[in-house]
Amino acid sequence: QQQVKQSPQSLIVQKGGISIINCAYENTAFDYFPWYQQFPGKGPALLIAIRPDVSEKKEGRFTISFNKSAKQFSLHIMDSQPGDSATYFCAARVKGRGNEKLTFGTGTRLTIIP
Amino acid sequence: GAVVSQHPSWVICKSGTSVKIECRSLDFQATTMFWYRQFPKQSLMLMATSNEGSKATYEQGVEKDKFLINHASLTLSTLTVTSAHPEDSSFYICSARSPNGNEQYFGPGTRLTVT
Repeated sequence: QQQVKQSPQSLIVQKGGISIINCAYENTAFDYFPWYQQFPGKGPALLIAIRPDVSEKKEGRFTISFNKSAKQFSLHIMDSQPGDSATYFCAARVKGRGNEKLTFGTGTRLTIIP
Repeated sequence: GAVVSQHPSWVICKSGTSVKIECRSLDFQATTMFWYRQFPKQSLMLMATSNEGSKATYEQGVEKDKFLINHASLTLSTLTVTSAHPEDSSFYICSARSPNGNEQYFGPGTRLTVT
């Protein structure tokens, strides 16, 4: 059972535009929602993360919007650049003692065109 | 900070041999590390959770006798693929939980090809 649904599967955005990737979850026990960026042949890198007690978190050009009632969260990349072309994964983790596993979305392949 | 390394970055081995992959947290201590497998254009699949000084917890469907995990120190976890076969060819990625427990930092991955 896919507990974190991610869309779209692929996304093409023009340079300078806004890239938006969405995720939805069902498990209300999730309390930590990170986004990872992965380049081909590399491991994922933590981009930004949010907890459900805030509705938005911004770091540079990257913003997470969180809607607790709708159980949805999204990543917005402002002023998208060719260097942002990568696969993005959302994830979620259940609150607990600390060794809880992450549940990943299926990934979004983002391509920024000039 | 929060750097995780893996060695080797890629390895080719013959069918039937065993391969060991190392995962190290370079600038922090990690009581918990995770091992993932990733097929091309797919998401990460958790194989097991490795806790320092104790046995690993394997996900359903992962053969613990085939994928041996050892977490002997706070900075090193190893994954040994025993009697490797071509279907074990994949991208193996480890991650380490940060000391405050909030983040997971991933290694660069190891590309295993079994011929």
